[in-house]
This record gives sequence, C-alpha cells and structure tokens, in this order.
Amino acid sequence: DAGVIQSPRHEVTEMGQEVTLRCKPISGHDYLFWYRQTMMRGLELLIYFNNNVPIDDSGMPEDRFSAKMPNASFSTLKIQPSEPRDSAVYFCASSPHRDRTISEAFFGQGTRLTVV
Amino acid sequence: LAKTTQPISMDSYEGQEVNITCSHNNIATNDYITWYQQFPSQGPRFIIQGYKTKVTNEVASLFIPADRKSSTLSLPRVSLSDTAVYYCLVGDGRGANNLFFGTGTRLTVIP
Repeated sequence: DAGVIQSPRHEVTEMGQEVTLRCKPISGHDYLFWYRQTMMRGLELLIYFNNNVPIDDSGMPEDRFSAKMPNASFSTLKIQPSEPRDSAVYFCASSPHRDRTISEAFFGQGTRLTVV
Repeated sequence: LAKTTQPISMDSYEGQEVNITCSHNNIATNDYITWYQQFPSQGPRFIIQGYKTKVTNEVASLFIPADRKSSTLSLPRVSLSDTAVYYCLVGDGRGANNLFFGTGTRLTVIP
C-alpha cells in the first residue's frame, strides 16, 4: 500500500478563496483524521470519521471549515473563505479498527497551505 | 484526557543512548501509552506502544513503571537521522482520545 496520500502537497491561495484539501486513506482502515499543525498551536485534531461518518468535529475551528468523506477511499477538508491565519500544514491520517479501539494512526505527508 | 508532560528539547551526541521521559500523573486504568516520531516536513510516525513494564521493538524500547505515572522512551545509539520531535500520548483508544498530541520533545543529535 502507498500509505495515506494527500494532495496537493503545497497550496498558495489568496485570502477569501476556497481551498480544498484531499486525502486518500490506507485501504481497509476504518478511521480517518484531519489535523492542523502550526508553530503556535502544534498538532490539533480537527475532525475524525469512522466508516465515513463524522464522529467528532469539535476541533474544527470555525464554520468556514468543513470536511466530508463520501466513500471509504476519499475525504476532503474545505476552507471557505480562507484567511491568512489558516496557513498551516494539514495532515490526514487513517487507522485500522482493532477490538473497537483506535490504535496507531498512519499519517500522510501533509499539505502546506499558505493564504496570502 | 490524561495530560502528558515532556521536556521541550534534548540534545545528544551520535552513538549515545537517549531516554525521553513523559509524565502522565492522571493516567486511567484503561489507558495505554503511545509514542510518535515526527521528522521535519513529514507527518508523525508511530514508534511504540505499551501498557506496563517494558516493550521493545526494532526502533526503541518503552519502560513503564508499576504506577504508570510516567514512561520512558529509550533510543539506543542514536544517529543524526534520529533528530526529530517525539510525542508521548495517553488514552484508551476510544473516541480518538489517544490521538491528541502535546508539544513533544525536540531531540537534536549532534555529530
């Protein structure tokens, strides 16, 4: 398996534009997570899905952020409209389901978002 | 959530053994301890996980005392490529409570 695949790797956009980040989890993994990493706040868990269903989105910073998982092999994180303070590295991760608990998470390479 | 406390940074020379200690005083009975490693410009990578005593794999060892209020990640004979941030996480794996990252320990290996 190629691991968790994120696209694009880098995104530069102007303030006010819509940004869509994409993620392909590892095949067979039941859980998918979206994280944001900045120097100031570290790694923040934004939202996670179990079997394509959003379970906890309490980490999503504002209504400008939304995430979807239309099927087991694809998820998107959308920011509309984007703001400079959204600049960060966004990671997607997936995890298998073992004994009804989440064990190790496998992370993608991340998308570095810059909003100017 | 059980909070963890780690040193912010550590330096070590190549070839030495490095021990990074994490405090988790309010760890719950069902919680286990997980360590991740993150290289610059990459996502975190799972290193090791344990519940009590000692766990060893090809990368590291994890020592957990009987009271489980702390844990120590041991990296044998570090090389420059071990320079990274190391995170200690605690949780029972339900509701993603074992996937909340703290500030981590930035390890710098010096030639």
